Amino acid sequence: DTAVSQTPKYLVTQMGNDKSIKCEQNLGHDTMYWYKQDSKKFLKIMFSYNNKELIINETVPNRFSPKSPDKAHLNLHINSLELGDSAVYFCASSQEASSYNEQFFGPGTRLTVL
Amino acid sequence: LAKTTQPISMDSYEGQEVNITCSHNNIATNDYITWYQQFPSQGPRFIIQGYKTKVTNEVASLFIPADRKSSTLSLPRVSLSDTAVYYCLVGSGYSTLTFGKGTMLLVSP
Repeated sequence: DTAVSQTPKYLVTQMGNDKSIKCEQNLGHDTMYWYKQDSKKFLKIMFSYNNKELIINETVPNRFSPKSPDKAHLNLHINSLELGDSAVYFCASSQEASSYNEQFFGPGTRLTVL
Repeated sequence: LAKTTQPISMDSYEGQEVNITCSHNNIATNDYITWYQQFPSQGPRFIIQGYKTKVTNEVASLFIPADRKSSTLSLPRVSLSDTAVYYCLVGSGYSTLTFGKGTMLLVSP
């Protein structure tokens, strides 16, 4: 059973479109995260949710809107996609919202904006 | 947040021991040190975590000197499958974990 799953694995779209990436974890964790890894492999946190509540919101354009319908899901919706949004997006989860806790990552979603 | 500095890349051969050192000069009293491994086209995976002295698990060892201003991840007898990027992270409580660029370890036959 996959612990943290993301769909789709690949996403190719045109500039200006709106797209969503879904994430689900079956570990019973309270905290979920979204990370962005750009072409230079720099992995940067975007958001963190704890029990469906936003606790970390790094400097991310408001075109990015996370949504957590329940604590097992954290979806990422992106409006008006731009070329610079092309990257690999990773979802992760941890037992608690603490940097002590091991984070479990999904396989990533490679987003390409044309 | 404590900033970390690690080598951009390292090369090794199969069967050798590899030591990757991370500097974190402004580490705070409550900060823990955590290492993650990332294979190409996969998400990072937790390897080991420690606060001080030495921690060992089935994958690696983590050496932390008394001043905690640095830490060394030790991988015994590496194999080709250990080729990956290794990230050193420092943080505590609800602080954000910053992954940085990591160290690209290339293991050759």
